[in-house]
Amino acid sequence: GENVEQHPSTLSVQEGDSAVIKCTYSDSASNYFPWYKQELGKRPQLIIDIRSNVGEKKDQRIAVTLNKTAKHFSLHITETQPEDSAVYFCAASKNRDDKIIFGKGTRLHILP
Amino acid sequence: DVKVTQSSRYLVKRTGEKVFLECVQDMDHENMFWYRQDPGLGLRLIYFSYDVKMKEKGDIPEGYSVSREKKERFSLILESASTNQTSMYLCASSFVPAVDTEAFFGQGTRLTVV
Repeated sequence: GENVEQHPSTLSVQEGDSAVIKCTYSDSASNYFPWYKQELGKRPQLIIDIRSNVGEKKDQRIAVTLNKTAKHFSLHITETQPEDSAVYFCAASKNRDDKIIFGKGTRLHILP
Repeated sequence: DVKVTQSSRYLVKRTGEKVFLECVQDMDHENMFWYRQDPGLGLRLIYFSYDVKMKEKGDIPEGYSVSREKKERFSLILESASTNQTSMYLCASSFVPAVDTEAFFGQGTRLTVV
């Protein structure tokens, strides 16, 4: 079945700097890649997603890139702010009635 | 606004008890999921259901079963609770017009088995 690897597990960046989180997946049939943000004590919520027919997508300070050949996708956060501190999960799925498999998460700390 | 509601925020159960975790969604979603969240292990899929009475095992189904008698309700059952099932349990649901739809999560149930 699908396996999603996520790195790093913990990331600390200075406020204002950029943060990058990377994921790889194993099933080449996967074609939808969402990213979720989970703030302390809250439920995970979708922040951005990308489909297999797109290489890059941007939404304000957040961007996601996808390399289907390498089976690799990344989350980029620019100009980081304190409210970006959270756990971020990548995920992959392939069919509309298929399961969503998550990475292990990255705890992002924004340092003042 | 999609709402996924889990019946309890916190539960404490004894070893060997049968435990029911309930999840209800109000948006007529076809897919429903149960995940377990542990530090360092992320979100691991226990079971998912893509229709009423339909279910599929996820990555860690051992010790769990599920029930989906109605579209809006997906129950996770711990047949005989054990201490290694102490965890945060998250329910999620998603709509199925196409593959690229987000999952909406419940607020989570923190289960402690003593």
